Amino acid sequence: DAGITQSPRHKVTETGTPVTLRCHQTENHRYMYWYRQDPGHGLRLIHYSYGVKDTDKGEVSDGYSVSRSKTEDFLLTLESATSSQTSVYFCAISERDPGRTEAFFGQGTRLTVV
Amino acid sequence: GENVEQHPSTLSVQEGDSAVIKCTYSDSASNYFPWYKQELGKGPQLIIDIRSNVGEKKDQRIAVTLNKTAKHFSLHITETQPEDSAVYFCAASKGNNNDMRFGAGTRLTVKP
Repeated sequence: DAGITQSPRHKVTETGTPVTLRCHQTENHRYMYWYRQDPGHGLRLIHYSYGVKDTDKGEVSDGYSVSRSKTEDFLLTLESATSSQTSVYFCAISERDPGRTEAFFGQGTRLTVV
Repeated sequence: GENVEQHPSTLSVQEGDSAVIKCTYSDSASNYFPWYKQELGKGPQLIIDIRSNVGEKKDQRIAVTLNKTAKHFSLHITETQPEDSAVYFCAASKGNNNDMRFGAGTRLTVKP
């Protein structure tokens, strides 16, 4: 398995609270991604990073922010969690653009907003 | 933007039978089509991919076919085994950072 660690693996939080999810990689891959997975929608890209401090929005970025201060860490923050953000979140990494090559996924973080 | 539709949403087969999952895409500029397998409690894992300059690709019991004219591609699994039971996702991309689009997934169950 690719060296990707997501933390926490499970979290329950209250509406309106900030939440930060962490993705840590040991592969030194350039690209890192955050996806959310919901029934009937497959995986949808939230934000991605193509280098340290280089990030951009994905398909469903509203309500989320990210930061990448080191190659190995990519943080996803929900500034004020809402029930619609209850989902399973996956971090992915790739050596090159995943639109062209394999992306490796973490184990996922199940977030419940109550 | 790209839209990927995947059918069926659930598929049940007997061990040893073949399974076929189909996807259609909307953007004719898409040129990379990966398939991912997701086992319970795990992240998706690439099992096979195909690029637009190839019509078919095989890897042991797994094959993918691509019809660019009709804008659809399919995953074929032969001689299915219980360990093939999982959720399978197709995806399509034009090769840019943020344009990969996934299908909704197919839950495959292989009955012993």
